[in-house]
Amino acid sequence: AQSVSQHNHHVILSEAASLELGCNYSYGGTVNLFWYVQYPGQHLQLLLKYFSGDPLVKGIKGFEAEFIKSKFSFNLRKPSVQWSDTAEYFCARGPNFGNEKLTFGTGTRLTIIP
Amino acid sequence: GAGVSQSPSNKVTEKGKDVELRCDPISGHTALYWYRQRLGQGLEFLIYFQGNSAPDKSGLPSDRFSAERTGESVSTLTIQRTQQEDSAVYLCASSSPSGTQYFGPGTRLTVT
Repeated sequence: AQSVSQHNHHVILSEAASLELGCNYSYGGTVNLFWYVQYPGQHLQLLLKYFSGDPLVKGIKGFEAEFIKSKFSFNLRKPSVQWSDTAEYFCARGPNFGNEKLTFGTGTRLTIIP
Repeated sequence: GAGVSQSPSNKVTEKGKDVELRCDPISGHTALYWYRQRLGQGLEFLIYFQGNSAPDKSGLPSDRFSAERTGESVSTLTIQRTQQEDSAVYLCASSSPSGTQYFGPGTRLTVT
């Protein structure tokens, strides 16, 4: 069965620090990868996605993620975080362009200290 | 345009009662998904509708759970004889032609 692992359950950073959140997925054919974010009191929203092509994907709000096939990883990065980045971040994979069920990781809660 | 909407936003019910949760997808989205998020856990797939095809029910945890969708519009998730372990946030998503899933605000279900 497909699985997604997020090993960081809660990350606390100061503003302007660099961020990297880990995401590993299980091997299994075609892989499409996503990062979703849920700000306090808001819906889940898409940060970025990878289907194919350039393994370095840029998303909204200065976030990026790198697909490393050899490591089965899709880590999320941001060079300088802001207080407004405080949220829960979910990594997910889908089998076919996202138009089928997604398998989510358990999420990483990010707290930014002003 | 409007996003995915869900109702009710909160539902408290007694153990053993039936509940119905509603999802209105984004207009024109052919695919609709239900997920469940229990406290401290990631989202868990429940069921997926794609157009007029038979739904993928592989994620439904028991036969107490069922869902319907009329055409490419509203979907209803029904939980019969609710149990305390059914307490969770139930999220609905719909899919654009590009495949990106857009999520609703969820229904928080509490079974007492």
